[in-house]
Amino acid sequence: GAGVSQTPSNKVTEKGKYVELRCDPISGHTALYWYRQSLGQGPEFLIYFQGTGAADDSGLPNDRFFAVRPEGSVSTLKIQRTERGDSAVYLCASSLMGGQNTEAFFGQGTRLTVV
Amino acid sequence: DQQVKQNSPSLSVQEGRISILNCDYTNSMFDYFLWYKKYPAEGPTFLISISSIKDKNEDGRFTVFLNKSAKHLSLHIVPSQPGDSAVYFCAASASSGAGSYQLTFGKGTKLSVIP
Repeated sequence: GAGVSQTPSNKVTEKGKYVELRCDPISGHTALYWYRQSLGQGPEFLIYFQGTGAADDSGLPNDRFFAVRPEGSVSTLKIQRTERGDSAVYLCASSLMGGQNTEAFFGQGTRLTVV
Repeated sequence: DQQVKQNSPSLSVQEGRISILNCDYTNSMFDYFLWYKKYPAEGPTFLISISSIKDKNEDGRFTVFLNKSAKHLSLHIVPSQPGDSAVYFCAASASSGAGSYQLTFGKGTKLSVIP
């Protein structure tokens, strides 16, 4: 399949540890998004990449969160000093271009549990 | 404060009948609206969208209605099928400024279609 792939599917980590979540977008998609879905909530925007650059990181909750997309394809979301409140499903999406009218395709998500 | 609200956490409908899912929004800048469908352990899948210049968009069994003056939209599924059982998210974006690529989601409505 040529959909958006996220690894790992599940990640359990101890409070205070560092984690990396990976997203492989659909080939050729220049736009990539990270969202976070907490229990009982809808997905919340974290960051948007257009190519290699973060065009908008206004949704990142604090400086413990960082994301990169060095070659304009794969992206990694990095969380330092994890806290129990970081537990959520982290969703990645990609689209051919950014903006409205371009459908965003979501991956299955990474379920992060901080214990 | 929630800018996109889905006030019904769940809905049960008999197979063959109409399912109506509702969504309200508060941000007047929103001008593009989408519905996503989500099965357990999968990412959200795009279903149907509508621009604010229209009041109705139809795609097969799915129709979205938009009432701009009431800041309300609804998704109609006719006839409902058991495979439609999923969580449905309403989402919105604004074409101006940085909002065109950012989706703001509601909390979702879990639809159960009973055979």
